Amino acid sequence: DQQVKQNSPSLSVQEGRISILNCDYTNSMFDYFLWYKKYPAEGPTFLISISSIKDKNEDGRFTVFLNKSAKHLSLHIVPSQPGDSAVYFCAASPGLGAQKLVFGQGTRLTINP
Amino acid sequence: DAGVTQSPTHLIKTRGQQVTLRCSPKSGHDTVSWYQQALGQGPQFIFQYYEEEERQRGNFPDRFSGHQFPNYSSELNVNALLLGDSALYLCASSLLAGIDTQYFGPGTRLTVL
Repeated sequence: DQQVKQNSPSLSVQEGRISILNCDYTNSMFDYFLWYKKYPAEGPTFLISISSIKDKNEDGRFTVFLNKSAKHLSLHIVPSQPGDSAVYFCAASPGLGAQKLVFGQGTRLTINP
Repeated sequence: DAGVTQSPTHLIKTRGQQVTLRCSPKSGHDTVSWYQQALGQGPQFIFQYYEEEERQRGNFPDRFSGHQFPNYSSELNVNALLLGDSALYLCASSLLAGIDTQYFGPGTRLTVL
């Protein structure tokens, strides 16, 4: 039972353009949604989160949008930079802090010069 | 300030053996969670420890057990190893009463032959 899904295993974007990563979830009990970035040989690093009471959260080049009625969220990166090349995981949680995280399968983003 | 550390980095075992993985949380954190990341998948929650007790558990068999020590460090033990236990094992630390996100270690790559 995959409660959080990232349907695109990979995405290739030209440097300077916008990268859009998508994520769908099924459980209405999730209260927080997070994006993590993972480089090879490193653990996932927190990028940005959004509470279920909001529909947008922005942090520099990164913006997360939440559509609760569609149970869908997306991460926008603009402009994309070569250092953004990594695997991105969407995660959902019943709360912040120590709450259990439910992850999607990940999307490998490649930024081409 | 050291972040989350894990040891060993890599480990090779044979079927039926037992393995112990170790994790030291980020300074000031009191809660440790363990995740299993199979190849091509997102991390999957195994269990969480707080005050030396298992607080939450994911859908993993009893072959997976853990321990938390008074200094908040933690161990993950897996008995009767199966080929399917080959994965990256990630440790994450946080504050139970905090609102900050979880911080992940670099992981231990376990290969079962």
